[in-house]
Amino acid sequence: QSALTQPASVSGSPGQSITISCTGTSSDVGGYDYVSWYQQYPGRAPKVMIYDVSHRPSGVSNRFSGSKSGNTASLTISGLQAEDEADYYCSSYRGTNTLVVFGGGTRLTVL
Amino acid sequence: EVQLVESGGGLIQPGGSLRLSCAASGFTVSDSYMSWVRQAPGKGLEWVSVIYRGDNTYYADSVKGRFTISRDNSKNTLYLQMNSLKVDDTAVYYCARRKSTTWTFDYWGQGTLVTVSS
Repeated sequence: QSALTQPASVSGSPGQSITISCTGTSSDVGGYDYVSWYQQYPGRAPKVMIYDVSHRPSGVSNRFSGSKSGNTASLTISGLQAEDEADYYCSSYRGTNTLVVFGGGTRLTVL
Repeated sequence: EVQLVESGGGLIQPGGSLRLSCAASGFTVSDSYMSWVRQAPGKGLEWVSVIYRGDNTYYADSVKGRFTISRDNSKNTLYLQMNSLKVDDTAVYYCARRKSTTWTFDYWGQGTLVTVSS
């Protein structure tokens, strides 16, 4: 199983907000502010949506936001749009042996 | 424009070897931390390996001793030499650039599929 725990699926209606959680340990999520969130469409490469817990790369909609509390990070998408329907993965730096760990992914369905 | 283009994937028997390539453009591979990340069919992402600017390399426990990451600065290309391949190594392999000063991957290639099967 994956090192970080995410819900397998979440859903929401257009215009609503959803939050995806990502739970790790004090050795990864809780120990570093290097949490990232990636969006992946089927058959496509991942795209970074949030890095360093809450920073948005240039060009990413401000409807995407990130936060962290203890060993759990969260991705919130506000004002859901049909184009947000995709898989979302969290990742964190771990620092020893396996330097980067990922969550198992969350399938977002826009109803 | 930054681009990463992987190649070298294919069908290989268990125990075999394969070398993946990742041709980079728009930036210099030797000035960056470069990684390989894989994704088994229908599964999540798994970090595989990283090579630092100073040539330090690190590997996931699942591939340590079997895979080797390297780069050719003259070709601005990243490689992944995969030996003693197992069925569980079947995946799409992505090369990715680590964003400077942090641990996120800001550019990804399109991926190359490796299928290990008899």
